[in-house]
Amino acid sequence: GAGVSQSPSNKVTEKGKDVELRCDPISGHTALYWYRQSLGQGLEFLIYFQGNSAPDKSGLPSDRFSAERTGGSVSTLTIQRTQQEDSAVYLCASRTSGYEQYFGPGTRLTVT
Amino acid sequence: DQQVKQNSPSLSVQEGRISILNCDYTNSMFDYFLWYKKYPAEGPTFLISISSIKDKNEDGRFTVFLNKSAKHLSLHIVPSQPGDSAVYFCAASEGESRDDKIIFGKGTRLHILP
Repeated sequence: GAGVSQSPSNKVTEKGKDVELRCDPISGHTALYWYRQSLGQGLEFLIYFQGNSAPDKSGLPSDRFSAERTGGSVSTLTIQRTQQEDSAVYLCASRTSGYEQYFGPGTRLTVT
Repeated sequence: DQQVKQNSPSLSVQEGRISILNCDYTNSMFDYFLWYKKYPAEGPTFLISISSIKDKNEDGRFTVFLNKSAKHLSLHIVPSQPGDSAVYFCAASEGESRDDKIIFGKGTRLHILP
């Protein structure tokens, strides 16, 4: 079956613009995670959705970042008024009942 | 405050030899540990995991060892192959419900030398 997909694969934007990143998880996976990987850094947790529960937003770095998950499936990560330090690879992952997360290929965001 | 630490940013190993990647953690509540492998321009893929009730888990060429008293785990790859060149992330989770988020280390880049 299809894996986790993310779009766009690459995004170049000007400082101050808003961007939306999309994640399509594996069908039936109830949990969805967003991470980002900045250059030379590890995977930084951003936000976690589990079923109908309130999302865990503890990793969002500022109020410019938000995410939603519609219908328990597709998720959109929005970054408002982008800054150069937002440049990173943004990774989405989903999982079902086990611990193993399935990652998408990521969106490389470059803020100029 | 890093809860999962991979202190070696990179490691080079001769093809055919053993690769040992290390990981330390600080949170004693972690009870499940995972290793992920990441190739450039791809998302991480799950490699192997271990529960805190075990001290060893083996899957083919990959073995993970867990030392709870030292809060240390390691991934052994033997024999190392060229396709093993990648970034390896150690990750940990706490909570029996498995609903808790997974904390990743910064990764170790493994180079397998011909």
